[in-house]
Amino acid sequence: EAQVTQNPRYLITVTGKKLTVTCSQNMNHEYMSWYRQDPGLGLRQIYYSMNVEVTDKGDVPEGYKVSRKEKRNFPLILESPSPNQTSLYFCASSLLAGVGGEQFFGPGTRLTVL
Amino acid sequence: AQSVTQLGSHVSVSEGALVLLRCNYSSSVPPYLFWYVQYPNQGLQLLLKYTSAATLVKGINGFEAEFKKSETSFHLTKPSAHMSDAAEYFCAVSLTSGTYKYIFGTGTRLKVLA
Repeated sequence: EAQVTQNPRYLITVTGKKLTVTCSQNMNHEYMSWYRQDPGLGLRQIYYSMNVEVTDKGDVPEGYKVSRKEKRNFPLILESPSPNQTSLYFCASSLLAGVGGEQFFGPGTRLTVL
Repeated sequence: AQSVTQLGSHVSVSEGALVLLRCNYSSSVPPYLFWYVQYPNQGLQLLLKYTSAATLVKGINGFEAEFKKSETSFHLTKPSAHMSDAAEYFCAVSLTSGTYKYIFGTGTRLKVLA
């Protein structure tokens, strides 16, 4: 089944404790992206990747890191989480970018930083 | 800066009534446009997309949207609302000039009244 998977689905952590949220897609998509969803703000793009080893900032990259060492995986890293990073996070992938490609979304990761 | 504006964070309609969800974008270059739907506790799924072919786009579940360049709008409509349409709807643009960001609107929560 074609899908985007994220782990963990729920995470409660404390300020400053490094964490990684994994994202994997099995559709051979080139474009992958991370979003955070907050009430009243919609989805805001954190980082995106056009292909392996090619990443770029979205609109809210501060406090986050990403890497794209393999085409299928695009982990989101919070080196020192803070309470303002409490949010619902979505990973998404698309076959190509810049040509109107549909994004396929993962089920989301709900993160709480205490 | 590029932006997407969705008028009305909450819209209520009666079952069987017309659904109209508004979306306006700002872009000097016509972008690719999308509508996504998010059901409670789920990820986003594509309703429809505009990629510079026909200006009237038909999507799933009876939804359609019309691209109007002169108004920079891409409003979503459905002739007759069903209870199962209750969800949050997001308009989004895919930028194609100098960046490959996606920008989402803040969302409109649709309530369908019996």
